[in-house]
Amino acid sequence: DAKTTQPPSMDCAEGRAANLPCNHSTISGNEYVYWYRQIHSQGPQYIIHGLKNNETNEMASLIITEDRKSSTLILPHATLRDTAVYYCIVRVVNDYKLSFGAGTTVTVRA
Amino acid sequence: KAGVTQTPRYLIKTRGQQVTLSCSPISGHRSVSWYQQTPGQGLQFLFEYFSETQRNKGNFPGRFSGRQFSNSRSEMNVSTLELGDSALYLCASSSGFSYNEQFFGPGTRLTVL
Repeated sequence: DAKTTQPPSMDCAEGRAANLPCNHSTISGNEYVYWYRQIHSQGPQYIIHGLKNNETNEMASLIITEDRKSSTLILPHATLRDTAVYYCIVRVVNDYKLSFGAGTTVTVRA
Repeated sequence: KAGVTQTPRYLIKTRGQQVTLSCSPISGHRSVSWYQQTPGQGLQFLFEYFSETQRNKGNFPGRFSGRQFSNSRSEMNVSTLELGDSALYLCASSSGFSYNEQFFGPGTRLTVL
């Protein structure tokens, strides 16, 4: 699986959009980009995934660059409950192993 | 729909003992994966079971084993516990087919003294 690079931490003001970058410059054509988050002491929670098109769901939007070497997770209106560690993962379809890196610790401040 | 359940939630054992953890996946899901989370190593994949067969395996010693039953419930066993086995053990369930996200349980916190 391709490796990802994320900033170790970032702060965000409540009510503002949070933009979380992820670099995956060695991604292969058959690898998807997945985002999970883990709120303290809980199991990771699936957020969104995509291959090459931008994706949006009720939780977030995923913007993937045209060359697929990087992506951005957007939380449109961050709340205090969005404080968590966010993991960007790339994996091949049908590979059920998720390789978690260190993630980005996002702190939403009032 | 009920989520993934793990039992027990907390466990304290001593070195040399063995432990069995249980995971009940979401109804209808046939795949169960196990992960170990420690402050030093982060989240690491242990193994994945689908329809009672181990389909994927991570890089853990043979002391870590698992199985899956016909109702998709899964157990993970760790024998000859070491201090370094203290961790949060998470299981995740999915339908087992491509594209589907994994749903994680709350985890079992194992402390080895």
